[in-house]
Amino acid sequence: DQQVKQNSPSLSVQEGRISILNCDYTNSMFDYFLWYKKYPAEGPTFLISISSIKDKNEDGRFTVFLNKSAKHLSLHIVPSQPGDSAVYFCAASEGSGAGSYQLTFGKGTKLSVIP
Amino acid sequence: DGGITQSPKYLFRKEGQNVTLSCEQNLNHDAMYWYRQDPGQGLRLIYYSQIVNDFQKGDIAEGYSVSREKKESFPLTVTSAQKNPTAFYLCASSLLGHGRNSPLHFGNGTRLTVT
Repeated sequence: DQQVKQNSPSLSVQEGRISILNCDYTNSMFDYFLWYKKYPAEGPTFLISISSIKDKNEDGRFTVFLNKSAKHLSLHIVPSQPGDSAVYFCAASEGSGAGSYQLTFGKGTKLSVIP
Repeated sequence: DGGITQSPKYLFRKEGQNVTLSCEQNLNHDAMYWYRQDPGQGLRLIYYSQIVNDFQKGDIAEGYSVSREKKESFPLTVTSAQKNPTAFYLCASSLLGHGRNSPLHFGNGTRLTVT
C-alpha cells in the first residue's frame, strides 16, 4: 500500500516556464515532507523540505506548498531550466527530529525541461 | 571533500552467492542507511543504523544483513535468501535523524545484477 504517491511518472516543460510536480500522501501521521532530485547514475540530493506547521516554503526558484487537509504537496520550479531535468522524489516522515529515521518515498516524477 | 563512497558501481554475481556492498562516509554522520530502488519504484529502506554497533530493520530487511563496527562504514550483505536481489542500492547518512537540519546525503549507488 503506497503511502506516498506521485501519480505522474513524467512531465515535460518548456524552458523558462513553471514546472509543477505533485505528491499525495495517505498517512495522516506524516508531518514532515521533503523533495529530492536525482540525476541518472547518481544518488538523490536534497532539494527542499516543509514541516506540517507551514503551508509554504521557498528556496530560490523552488517552492513547496503543503495542503494538509487534502494530504497534498507540490513542488514549483520557476523558471525551469534544462539543468532541472531529473527525477524528483517526494518523501515523508512522522517527525523531523533526531528520532526520525524512516522516510517513505514516492516513485518519482521524471522532469524534462525542453530548451 | 566530504561525501559517501559506494563501491563498486556495478556488481555481478551468480545466484546463490552472498555479496557485500561497501559504504563509507567521511561526513562524521552518526546515522547511516541502506535503500533499494527498483525500476519505476521509490526508494525502500532496508536497514538503518543510528550509532556504532546498533542497527534497525527497515521495511524490506529480509534476505539482507548489515554491520556497523565503525562510524564511517556500513556494509550491506545481500544473502542468497534474498528472492529478488537485482536492484540499485543506495547508501545514505545523516547527522542524527533525517530532520530539517540533517537531510539525508546519498552515495552514487551500486547496481547489483544477479543471474
